[in-house]
Amino acid sequence: DQQVKQNSPSLSVQEGRISILNCDYTNSMFDYFLWYKKYPAEGPTFLISISSIKDKNEDGRFTVFLNKSAKHLSLHIVPSQPGDSAVYFCAARWANRDDKIIFGKGTRLHILP
Amino acid sequence: DVKVTQSSRYLVKRTGEKVFLECVQDMDHENMFWYRQDPGLGLRLIYFSYDVKMKEKGDIPEGYSVSREKKERFSLILESASTNQTSMYLCATHSSYNEQFFGPGTRLTVL
Repeated sequence: DQQVKQNSPSLSVQEGRISILNCDYTNSMFDYFLWYKKYPAEGPTFLISISSIKDKNEDGRFTVFLNKSAKHLSLHIVPSQPGDSAVYFCAARWANRDDKIIFGKGTRLHILP
Repeated sequence: DVKVTQSSRYLVKRTGEKVFLECVQDMDHENMFWYRQDPGLGLRLIYFSYDVKMKEKGDIPEGYSVSREKKERFSLILESASTNQTSMYLCATHSSYNEQFFGPGTRLTVL
């Protein structure tokens, strides 16, 4: 049973526009959420995170929004750039279990010229 | 900067061979992880370790074993490689700041 779901396998966005990547989760015990970015033939790199006590976290062009009541988070990239083309993984961590992180299946983002 | 290194970037093995994938980290992190990444399946946890000589099964441990003799080194072992173990293997460590740091990955092909 998937606890972290990324329902869009891929997304194409015009360069300069906003990219919105969505993620849903089922376990209300998750207390911390992360987004990772992965280029082909490389390991994932941490992008941005948000604690469950917040509803928004911003870092430059990247903003993550958390809607706890809907068990939904989203990553906004504004403006989208060619280098943003990658696979994005949503991930979640349990409260008091700082060892395991649960990953979604990923969304491949294509930035179109 | 955390550095996580993996012994090989690309590896080709034959069915039935024993395969060792090595991972080394230089930040004294206690927790280390092995994942595999497959298209459409995301990152799946194989095994993890939270201390030397300690290990726990992840979501897909079948066909794999691990070894953690030293804190900085976590090895993944395929006792008898099979074609369905062709995949990208990723090692990661965990910091006290919640994020995991990944190595560059090993793309293993089993023929």
